[in-house]
Amino acid sequence: AQKVTQAQTEISVVEKEDVTLDCVYETRDTTYYLFWYKQPPSGELVFLIRRNSFDEQNEISGRYSWNFQKSTSSFNFTITASQVVDSAVYFCALYRGANNLFFGTGTRLTVIP
Amino acid sequence: DADVTQTPRNRITKTGKRIMLECSQTKGHDRMYWYRQDPGLGLRLIYYSFDVKDINKGEISDGYSVSRQAQAKFSLSLESAIPNQTALYFCATSDPGGGWNNWGEQFFGPGTRLTVL
Repeated sequence: AQKVTQAQTEISVVEKEDVTLDCVYETRDTTYYLFWYKQPPSGELVFLIRRNSFDEQNEISGRYSWNFQKSTSSFNFTITASQVVDSAVYFCALYRGANNLFFGTGTRLTVIP
Repeated sequence: DADVTQTPRNRITKTGKRIMLECSQTKGHDRMYWYRQDPGLGLRLIYYSFDVKDINKGEISDGYSVSRQAQAKFSLSLESAIPNQTALYFCATSDPGGGWNNWGEQFFGPGTRLTVL
């Protein structure tokens, strides 16, 4: 069975603090992709990153970084020096084939000015 | 212009009414999807279509039907709307070609907020 768990339902941080959003996944497949999407208050889904199961290198994009660890089935997302514009719901998702994305339940991040 | 568009963006309807949500895309993708989002539940797949002749049920298809009128158009219908179908609905597309580089990535429309009273 495929499953994505985002245990943190809501997180609040003060602006400029670092914050890590957790994502734990389950799959029996050896080939899969993991994604992070951002959903700002306006409602659209914004693609942030895709990582395939054969690439465990961490990735950094500006203030965003991702830590993929197959040993713990985790794909965590860190925002450094958070800003108010980072306030959104963040979804982790798993793709294993057949073109189906399995989404976690999302983490609502609130950055307090 | 947006690559994936949805109409209407907002809709309020009454229990028992038939309603159709429409999705159009200019990305030239063969594969299209309908998801619904409920607070605390993330996105769940309703139906997906690999081409105009291939339509498949997703995780939560009961109470919904779809029509793939053309490669670019994929409509979702609620035959008799009920209040627990109040949700945010997303259409998405994907391109299976391109090998590893394209695997899994779906492009989402802006969403349709549906309220069933």
